[in-house]
Amino acid sequence: EVQLVESGGGLVKPGGSLRLSCAGSGFTFSNAWMNWVRQAPGKGLEWVARIKSKSVGGTIDYAAPVRGRFTISRDDSKGTVYLQINGLKTEDTAVYFCVTGGYRFDFWGQGTLVTVSS
Amino acid sequence: DIQMTQSPSSLSASVGDRVTITCQATQDMTIHLNWYQQKPGKAPKLLIYDISNLETGVPSRFGGSGSGTDFTFTISNLQPEDFATYYCQQYDILPFTFGPGTNVDVK
Repeated sequence: EVQLVESGGGLVKPGGSLRLSCAGSGFTFSNAWMNWVRQAPGKGLEWVARIKSKSVGGTIDYAAPVRGRFTISRDDSKGTVYLQINGLKTEDTAVYFCVTGGYRFDFWGQGTLVTVSS
Repeated sequence: DIQMTQSPSSLSASVGDRVTITCQATQDMTIHLNWYQQKPGKAPKLLIYDISNLETGVPSRFGGSGSGTDFTFTISNLQPEDFATYYCQQYDILPFTFGPGTNVDVK
């Protein structure tokens, strides 16, 4: 059974940083393309970042609102994908979901809440 | 970016009803359109990929169709567990974008 477990969310002041983690199991993590998708409270879904598998170059893509502030990375030996978030803004407040898939988002974690507030 | 719109934004329906949701893209797409279901407090779930392909384990009452810029999602015989919010998503061009969602609630 595929499982994705996010952690690392919390309450942070504007300008602060967080590192989100997502541990995957039940699938060959090293072959998986991994994404982060976020959802602000009461709002819709927003794709944030994707990292391809190393076998196809490990290419990384970001949504414009987070480019330069967010960094996605992976550690295949730990079956974990990370999202380093710097320079947090109040508009980054959201549940952050870890999601498998290159183009269709097959499996989703339960999400971790990031709240940015002074 | 490709912007996605959905209509209606919400609808009320009864068990057994046929429900139709439309999704429109701001530019022509190939086949790269997916549909997701989300229930309150839960992660979204992939239902339909590549316009009309049912994800494994998804009941056949769910369906998708369309081409170009106009796409349709249908639930043919609404069941109690289908009350939820539905999102379309394009992956034709980065950034991947979602529609704003359609909330299906009980009439």
